[in-house]
Amino acid sequence: GAGVSQTPSNKVTEKGKYVELRCDPISGHTALYWYRQSLGQGPEFLIYFQGTGAADDSGLPNDRFFAVRPEGSVSTLKIQRTERGDSAVYLCASSFGGPSGYTFGSGTRLTVV
Amino acid sequence: TQLLEQSPQFLSIQEGENLTVYCNSSSVFSSLQWYRQEPGEGPVLLVTVVTGGEVKKLKRLTFQFGDARKDSSLHITAAQPGDTGLYLCAGGGSGSRLTFGEGTQLTVNP
Repeated sequence: GAGVSQTPSNKVTEKGKYVELRCDPISGHTALYWYRQSLGQGPEFLIYFQGTGAADDSGLPNDRFFAVRPEGSVSTLKIQRTERGDSAVYLCASSFGGPSGYTFGSGTRLTVV
Repeated sequence: TQLLEQSPQFLSIQEGENLTVYCNSSSVFSSLQWYRQEPGEGPVLLVTVVTGGEVKKLKRLTFQFGDARKDSSLHITAAQPGDTGLYLCAGGGSGSRLTFGEGTQLTVNP
């Protein structure tokens, strides 16, 4: 597609459950990023992929968070044993890399109840 | 840890007024980007500046990167209701990750 696609757009889950969030980047973009945005805050970096490999995962808050990009295109962010504090908008972005700007998706709003 | 501070945090003005939003840091960034975000959407890139002292204009918006590449400003002339949104600055470091400021929520009243 023309833009970055994220699914689902909204996800409500119970505390302790496992969730997967999907990102389909712009075709040809080699770099893919996950950010998390809490209400009233700017996006916070989670992980960056260059191709299939995670080039920088230093933003993942703990080992409950994991992300993959097995074929260098679609990426999945996985959260185990969700906690209420995980509630936020999870944003995915893609780019050609370098200092050029990102194209963001519309995000997945995750609510843990 | 690189931090970006934006000011003001909230700004409510009347249509036709001018405004400036500031983005400051104690760290040097290789590039500085400005994004605009509307409710329920992801941030949309407005501009990227990479050279200290660089000034870029986008219609009624003027962006400036500080000489030392630690700060930036966004100036809007004759603001319109369509300019309403969350404005975010983001600094690029040695890798491709960006460090975002907390944003400035701008409301332009008709």
